[in-house]
Amino acid sequence: GAGVSQTPSNKVTEKGKYVELRCDPISGHTALYWYRQSLGQGPEFLIYFQGTGAADDSGLPNDRFFAVRPEGSVSTLKIQRTERGDSAVYLCASSLTRDTTEAFFGQGTRLTVV
Amino acid sequence: AQSVTQLGSHVSVSEGALVLLRCNYSSSVPPYLFWYVQYPNQGLQLLLKYTSAATLVKGINGFEAEFKKSETSFHLTKPSAHMSDAAEYFCAVSAPHGSGNTGKLIFGQGTTLQVKP
Repeated sequence: GAGVSQTPSNKVTEKGKYVELRCDPISGHTALYWYRQSLGQGPEFLIYFQGTGAADDSGLPNDRFFAVRPEGSVSTLKIQRTERGDSAVYLCASSLTRDTTEAFFGQGTRLTVV
Repeated sequence: AQSVTQLGSHVSVSEGALVLLRCNYSSSVPPYLFWYVQYPNQGLQLLLKYTSAATLVKGINGFEAEFKKSETSFHLTKPSAHMSDAAEYFCAVSAPHGSGNTGKLIFGQGTTLQVKP
């Protein structure tokens, strides 16, 4: 596609529920990143994929968070047993390779846990 | 370890006035530095980047930034503000090639630029 696409754009879920957030990167981009942006803060790194593998998951806050990229393109961020503190905008970015110095960001998914 | 500090969470300027948004970084290796802009309900857009070439970097929409190693700074400037410049601006740092770089960005907390008519 023309840009990084994230769906849904908004998600409201109840505390304790499971959610999946999808990211469709720019075609041909091998590097994919997830970030979380809380209100009034800058984005915080969650996880980086190079191809199909998670090369750096050091930013995942706990084991309720998990992400996959099974075919090296679309990625899904999965959050189990959601908590109100998980409410944030989840951003996805892709770049041609990890060495490319420009990452292209999607518009984000705004997750609200009630 | 790397970090970014943006001085001033809100900056207000008059239309036509100089824009100066401050960013200081900390990095144990020579950094790559970026400025991103975020308009309401939109994704982050790259304004400009420093990747160890020229220290004065020109970006889109008339913005530029200067890398000053001695001051560990990468301040963003624009000579004359337009109303359309009102947005959130983020400074970010990453590690350069060949140092185990994953390309991940470490962001500052952001500066909201208000432009008054």
